[in-house]
Amino acid sequence: AQTVTQSQPEMSVQEAETVTLSCTYDTSESDYYLFWYKQPPSRQMILVIRQEAYKQQNATENRFSVNFQKAAKSFSLKISDSQLGDAAMYFCAYRSPVRRGGSEKLVFGKGTKLTVNP
Amino acid sequence: SQTIHQWPATLVQPVGSPLSLECTVEGTSNPNLYWYRQAAGRGLQLLFYSIGIDQISSEVPQNLSASRPQDRQFILSSKKLLLSDSGFYLCAWSGTGLSTSGELFFGEGSRLTVL
Repeated sequence: AQTVTQSQPEMSVQEAETVTLSCTYDTSESDYYLFWYKQPPSRQMILVIRQEAYKQQNATENRFSVNFQKAAKSFSLKISDSQLGDAAMYFCAYRSPVRRGGSEKLVFGKGTKLTVNP
Repeated sequence: SQTIHQWPATLVQPVGSPLSLECTVEGTSNPNLYWYRQAAGRGLQLLFYSIGIDQISSEVPQNLSASRPQDRQFILSSKKLLLSDSGFYLCAWSGTGLSTSGELFFGEGSRLTVL
């Protein structure tokens, strides 16, 4: 079974600086999806960024980017120019490829709590 | 556009009482539907998922059950709540078909406290 590990229960960053959140995963599949979700104090999970394993190029979304190392099974999230609104729990998630007639479940890590200091 | 709603947002129930959490999706058809539970320090645990009406798969043995009486409605239930059922419950949906992007879209969550 696939597993996702986030080794940093908590991280902190100064406003306007850069922080990197770590994520590793274990799978025997060659094609899959990886995600970073953000959960602010309001508790609704919001998708931050998505990476397809077959794509070598690292995904970016404005101030958010990933470092996807497929051989190392590593998927870290970099937040540049951190803002107070970035403070939240961040979850890394793995999903098997979509298959006809199936339901592919997301496997989540335990999360990293990010604090942004003014 | 697609939206997902779940309710109630907050619920306080005594041990042994029944439970019903409801989730509905709008703006899409035949979605995959999921119930997750989030306990402090333990991430998200998948409880149930459904690929169609009356097609429910359970991930963990527990005191809870799920039903999908309509295409876009997913209900989480219990006949008798336990203290250990307390937590934050999240409903989610995803698209079906080989062309989907793969992510889940989450509802606002329901905070259940069992006393």
